[in-house]
Amino acid sequence: SQTIHQWPATLVQPVGSPLSLECTVEGTSNPNLYWYRQAAGRGLQLLFYSVGIGQISSEVPQNLSASRPQDRQFILSSKKLLLSDSGFYLCAWSRGTGGEKLFFGSGTQLSVL
Amino acid sequence: GQNIDQPTEMTATEGAIVQINCTYQTSGFNGLFWYQQHAGEAPTFLSYNVLDGLEEKGRFSSFLSRSKGYSYLLLKELQMKDSASYLCAASTDSWGKLQFGAGTQVVVTP
Repeated sequence: SQTIHQWPATLVQPVGSPLSLECTVEGTSNPNLYWYRQAAGRGLQLLFYSVGIGQISSEVPQNLSASRPQDRQFILSSKKLLLSDSGFYLCAWSRGTGGEKLFFGSGTQLSVL
Repeated sequence: GQNIDQPTEMTATEGAIVQINCTYQTSGFNGLFWYQQHAGEAPTFLSYNVLDGLEEKGRFSSFLSRSKGYSYLLLKELQMKDSASYLCAASTDSWGKLQFGAGTQVVVTP
């Protein structure tokens, strides 16, 4: 069966510090991978998605970047965090064609102070 | 552009029925998902509609009308554990991306 791991679960970082969130998927190959952010009381906003190694598409301009160094590894990064980067970050995967459901990781609650 | 609307909050009593409506306007459309999300947790899949009509899964049912850009999630025999946010999401392209509504917070009271 397929599983998705995301860490850390919570993170408190000062403004201006770097960020690295990691997500790995097991039990499947060549998944589509996604990073979503959910601000308090808001819906999920798609940040990045990837259909293959080294292929990253950004949905919104922001202070964040994503990388996919291996088939089942997806990393969200920032060089300098802003207060507005606070939120609940969710990694997800799907089988990659239109209409496939997303499977979400357990999420990272990021607080930038 | 993409626009997905659903009510912010609904309250119902234990054992009752609640219907959560969702309207969407998207540039592409493959189907409509419903997810359940408890506070501080990841969303979990509830249902997927690609054709018009009603899909029933136990206490939960979901309906889709593609011509009207409309879906609803019906929760029957409400239980306290059903208190959660319910997210409507449209599949809008062939890359598997989902566009989410802001979520409807359902509060179940005794």
